[in-house]
Amino acid sequence: AQTVTQSQPEMSVQEAETVTLSCTYDTSESDYYLFWYKQPPSRQMILVIRQEAYKQQNATENRFSVNFQKAAKSFSLKISDSQLGDAAMYFCAYRFDGGSQGNLIFGKGTKLSVKP
Amino acid sequence: EAQVTQNPRYLITVTGKKLTVTCSQNMNHEYMSWYRQDPGLGLRQIYYSMNVEVTDKGDVPEGYKVSRKEKRNFPLILESPSPNQTSLYFCASSPRISNQPQHFGDGTRLSIL
Repeated sequence: AQTVTQSQPEMSVQEAETVTLSCTYDTSESDYYLFWYKQPPSRQMILVIRQEAYKQQNATENRFSVNFQKAAKSFSLKISDSQLGDAAMYFCAYRFDGGSQGNLIFGKGTKLSVKP
Repeated sequence: EAQVTQNPRYLITVTGKKLTVTCSQNMNHEYMSWYRQDPGLGLRQIYYSMNVEVTDKGDVPEGYKVSRKEKRNFPLILESPSPNQTSLYFCASSPRISNQPQHFGDGTRLSIL
């Protein structure tokens, strides 16, 4: 069964600094998709970034980028120039729907605090 | 505006009183799903639907029912709620293709006393 592990329950970063959130996953599949979702105190689930496993190039969305290491099954999120609005719970998620549930498998989350 | 709408946003009720949480999407998505979020556990899938009249159990289906009579609607039914179903619930939808992100509703906070 696929699993997603976020080993950092909480992280803290100074405003304007850079922080990296870790995520590892376990799968026997070769084609799948990885996502990072942000959940602010409003509880909304907001997509931050996504990565297709068949793409070697790391995805980037403005201040957010990933370091995707397929062989190591690692998918970390880097937030550059951290802002107060980045404070939230961050979830790493995996999806493969080759005839299966098509669900997102989530990690348990990392709570990010941003210090002014 | 593309969105997934859940109602109610908050509900406090008592054990055994049947309740329904509605979910509607306006993006013509084939795939819809319900998740529950509990502290320290992340989000776990309850039920999902690949299309109209096609539903199946997720990882934690006990105590829940769903239906998919129309493409846009996917209600979650708790026939006899119990305190262990107190949780934050999310409905999500996406196109059938798995590289497309799931769009989430704003969540429903259920408290079962």
